[in-house]
Amino acid sequence: AQSVAQPEDQVNVAEGNPLTVKCTYSVSGNPYLFWYVQYPNRGLQFLLKYITGDNLVKGSYGFEAEFNKSQTSFHLKKPSALVSDSALYFCAVSPPGSGGYNKLIFGAGTRLAVHP
Amino acid sequence: DAGVIQSPRHEVTEMGQEVTLRCKPISGHNSLFWYRQTMMRGLELLIYFNNNVPIDDSGMPEDRFSAKMPNASFSTLKIQPSEPRDSAVYFCASSLAVGPTEAFFGQGTRLTVV
Repeated sequence: AQSVAQPEDQVNVAEGNPLTVKCTYSVSGNPYLFWYVQYPNRGLQFLLKYITGDNLVKGSYGFEAEFNKSQTSFHLKKPSALVSDSALYFCAVSPPGSGGYNKLIFGAGTRLAVHP
Repeated sequence: DAGVIQSPRHEVTEMGQEVTLRCKPISGHNSLFWYRQTMMRGLELLIYFNNNVPIDDSGMPEDRFSAKMPNASFSTLKIQPSEPRDSAVYFCASSLAVGPTEAFFGQGTRLTVV
């Protein structure tokens, strides 16, 4: 079955420190990979995506993610966390053969808490 | 563009009543998705449309749920009759159907069935 795993319910980091939010996937073939962020009482906002090419992709608000095909991982990273980065982060995959309709399978989400 | 617009933002209804959630996708987007978010189950894809045609409704939980997209700028998700376990935040999202483009989400409708 196709799935996305975010092994950490919550990640705590001090402001100014680097952060990593982990994501692994179980999808056959070469999926498209996405990260979204959700602030309280808001919809999901797109951060970045991996389609092909360079394994390190850069996105909004200084976030980046590293694709590792052998480990089927797509971890979200930021060199220096801000308190305003505190939110719920979702990893998502769009499996190949989803008809080009970009059907997304989401992970359970990881709550990031950045402390001053 | 104002983004994906959902209405109402909040809905409180009594068990057994009909509930209709509305969505206006981003102009020019031809894929539309309905998701449900709960603490227990996370984000679940209920149904998605391409060019107003339902492509996959396998995520619709029961026959009490139905969705329509009568034209490119409007979609509804209806629950009839509603039950307390339907309480959740329902999101609509739209994207371009062709290519690996990201989906844009509305702000959601928080449904409470009492």
